[in-house]
Amino acid sequence: ETILTQSPGTLSVSPGERVTLSCRASERISNDFVAWFQQKPGHPPRLLIYGASSRATGIPDRFSASGSVTDFTLTISAMQPEDVAVYYCHQYGSAVNTFGQGTRLEIK
Amino acid sequence: EVRLVESGGGLVKPGGSLRLSCVVSGFTLGDHTMHWVRQAPGKGLEWVSSISSRGNYIYATASLKGRFTVSRDNANNSLYLDMHSLRDDDTARYFCARHGWGTTLDFWGQGALVTVSS
Repeated sequence: ETILTQSPGTLSVSPGERVTLSCRASERISNDFVAWFQQKPGHPPRLLIYGASSRATGIPDRFSASGSVTDFTLTISAMQPEDVAVYYCHQYGSAVNTFGQGTRLEIK
Repeated sequence: EVRLVESGGGLVKPGGSLRLSCVVSGFTLGDHTMHWVRQAPGKGLEWVSSISSRGNYIYATASLKGRFTVSRDNANNSLYLDMHSLRDDDTARYFCARHGWGTTLDFWGQGALVTVSS
């Protein structure tokens, strides 16, 4: 199974600050089938990004993502209080999908 | 409106079995691959299993060692997860999720809580 390693584990940023989260795969992700999810306490995950860089329906354009092969990044251009959450990367390029361990994003 | 509603969770003793159900509405179940994802209390997401739209392709994480089986009844808009030989570390909230066309897990249920304890 493909292992996804996210960094950092926890990030604390000020409102308006730019945020960059990383996801590294243990092997090449077929078709760059990487997604990013946001999860707030008591709620199911919410799809933000699919196909490494495509925003899902209704996702604000301050969220963007890039990457290929084994290295993928989620960027929030300007941190908002409502962005406090845990963010997960997910690969669906192989039949057996996997998730990263998550990055907790906090606000200062 | 797309909705996914899980049921069947509860308290079960180690070694026991449980069946989770996921009833969907707002879309045609038979048009989509479906997934189960779980989350232990305070922990991250773990992908469990998927089943293709007609049920002919099924995949699961190796760590389950065949204890869990996913199935579906498209005519009744239902997805199932049969869990056997349950262990303490299977305690988690179990989510069903739809695989969207051209995307991935685009809609999720609220989850069903399974607690394995003696």
